[in-house]
Amino acid sequence: GENVEQHPSTLSVQEGDSAVIKCTYSDSASNYFPWYKQELGKRPQLIIDIRSNVGEKKDQRIAVTLNKTAKHFSLHITETQPEDSAVYFCVVAGSNYQLIWGAGTKLIIKP
Amino acid sequence: NAGVTQTPKFQVLKTGQSMTLQCAQDMNHNSMYWYRQDPGMGLRLIYYSASEGTTDKGEVPNGYNVSRLNKREFSLRLESAAPSQTSVYFCASSTGTVQETQYFGPGTRLLVL
Repeated sequence: GENVEQHPSTLSVQEGDSAVIKCTYSDSASNYFPWYKQELGKRPQLIIDIRSNVGEKKDQRIAVTLNKTAKHFSLHITETQPEDSAVYFCVVAGSNYQLIWGAGTKLIIKP
Repeated sequence: NAGVTQTPKFQVLKTGQSMTLQCAQDMNHNSMYWYRQDPGMGLRLIYYSASEGTTDKGEVPNGYNVSRLNKREFSLRLESAAPSQTSVYFCASSTGTVQETQYFGPGTRLLVL
């Protein structure tokens, strides 16, 4: 089955700097890659997603890139702010109804 | 419009006890899901219901049963709770397949002693 690896597990950046989180997956047939943000004690919320027919997608300070050949995708957050502190999960659609989640990256924004 | 709601928010069980976690959505979504989240891990799918009247196993179904009561409600039952089922349980829904945004409930924190 699908396997998703996410790095790093913890990322600490200075406020205003950029943050990059990387994920790899194993099933070349996967074609949908969402990213979820989970604040402490809260529910996960979708922040951005990308489909396999697109190499990059941006939404204000957030961007995701996808390399299908290498089977990896990344989340980029620019001009980080305190409210970006959270755990971020990369996710891969393993089938029509099953999402496979990475282990998460705890992003810490230092003032 | 409450979105996805779950009850209870927190529950303590003794080993061997049973309980049902309730989930309801008011977004007219076809698909509903139950996940568990253990510390330091991503969410793992327990069961899902692609549409009213259907349910299927996910990645970690052992020890659980589900019922899609109607289009709005999807319940998760633990017949004989075990300490390994201590976790946070999230219900989610989406319009159709997982290639649509999943909307999550607030979660149920379950402790099995």
